[in-house]
Amino acid sequence: GAGVSQSPSNKVTEKGKDVELRCDPISGHTALYWYRQRLGQGLEFLIYFQGNSAPDKSGLPSDRFSAERTGESVSTLTIQRTQQEDSAVYLCASSPRRLAEAFFGQGTRLTVV
Amino acid sequence: AQRVTQPEKLLSVFKGAPVELKCNYSYSGSPELFWYVQYSRQRLQLLLRHISRESIKGFTADLNKGETSFHLKKPFAQEEDSAMYYCALSGNFGNEKLTFGTGTRLTIIP
Repeated sequence: GAGVSQSPSNKVTEKGKDVELRCDPISGHTALYWYRQRLGQGLEFLIYFQGNSAPDKSGLPSDRFSAERTGESVSTLTIQRTQQEDSAVYLCASSPRRLAEAFFGQGTRLTVV
Repeated sequence: AQRVTQPEKLLSVFKGAPVELKCNYSYSGSPELFWYVQYSRQRLQLLLRHISRESIKGFTADLNKGETSFHLKKPFAQEEDSAMYYCALSGNFGNEKLTFGTGTRLTIIP
């Protein structure tokens, strides 16, 4: 089947607008991660979902960021009142179980103008 | 808290020379360590994990708990090894998020 799919691939938005990024994980994968990668920098952890456990939100940079996951399927990352520093590639990954290999999507490149 | 440090942002090595990408970690329990690689215009993907104790594409990595290190090594670099390499750590139950280092860009000089 298909790998992890993210949409849109690219998003340009005006400062102050809200954006929603979507991640379709591999079917059956219980774990799902969101990361942010700013230009020239490493992967910054945002949030981790594992099955029905409470998500680990410790990486969300501010209350403008939120994420949801419906069961063990689609996840959306929402950024409210976008700022220019939110410009980055947002990566989603899923994993079949705890401590297993993470499979990454192609990312969504967000540009805030 | 879990932390991964990759001290080298850039590393250039001649083809045929040995490669060592450094990774140090901080974690109070028994971690799972991984190396991920991103080739040009491709997705980030797993290269190897310490629990498998295998060699992938000629690369190996040994977990040294005393030095809290998980350096990636290859005896003879090849041009196709040029890529971005990330060391990552996952903790025990309750601390399972996958934490990445800042990455090392490896360039193999022909």
